[in-house]
Amino acid sequence: RKEVEQDPGPFNVPEGATVAFNCTYSNSASQSFFWYRQDCRKEPKLLMSVYSSGNEDGRFTAQLNRASQYISLLIRDSKLSDSATYLCVVRTGNTDKLIFGTGTRLQVFP
Amino acid sequence: GAGVSQSPSNKVTEKGKDVELRCDPISGHTALYWYRQSLGQGLEFLIYFQGNSAPDKSGLPSDRFSAERTGGSVSTLTIQRTQQEDSAVYLCASSPPPGLNEQYFGPGTRLTVT
Repeated sequence: RKEVEQDPGPFNVPEGATVAFNCTYSNSASQSFFWYRQDCRKEPKLLMSVYSSGNEDGRFTAQLNRASQYISLLIRDSKLSDSATYLCVVRTGNTDKLIFGTGTRLQVFP
Repeated sequence: GAGVSQSPSNKVTEKGKDVELRCDPISGHTALYWYRQSLGQGLEFLIYFQGNSAPDKSGLPSDRFSAERTGGSVSTLTIQRTQQEDSAVYLCASSPPPGLNEQYFGPGTRLTVT
């Protein structure tokens, strides 16, 4: 079983739609959680950290469920520019090592 | 300020040759990471440095792969006797102390082994 699992998609949604991505992780000792965004043929960039209480950044909302070992990302009012691959990322314990999921691809169409 | 830089941006080599990939982290960043990403795949962790030491080399695929970091700054990833399955984008990232937060990625080196 992979340490971090995501639905690869693609998710094809119209502009203005709300879309949600899910991610599960296998190590209950995981302590830090992030969503990264990767555009085609570009490097990954941090989108947002995920906090235990859930957090929001504009149209983006991230949630963490430790009991179910589950992380989610909700994007409201999708824009064409949101088209990218969204990577779920987990850090376990006090190591500096990040474990990346394989990513969920989002395509927003006009 | 300057971000993470990597060189070369593209490298085409013949099977069996050795290659060296370079990473220049953001100044002051103590942690440095190497990943590789094959076409359509996720990021595969290779190795990470804290300063000049490598606490975790668990991701190196074989003994043909090695990496070093000098002066707590530049790192070199060396692949000896390259194979076609080594073809991938090799990404370097760095993070500031204490190294527990955001990783900043370089643009990557696209390696093609023919």
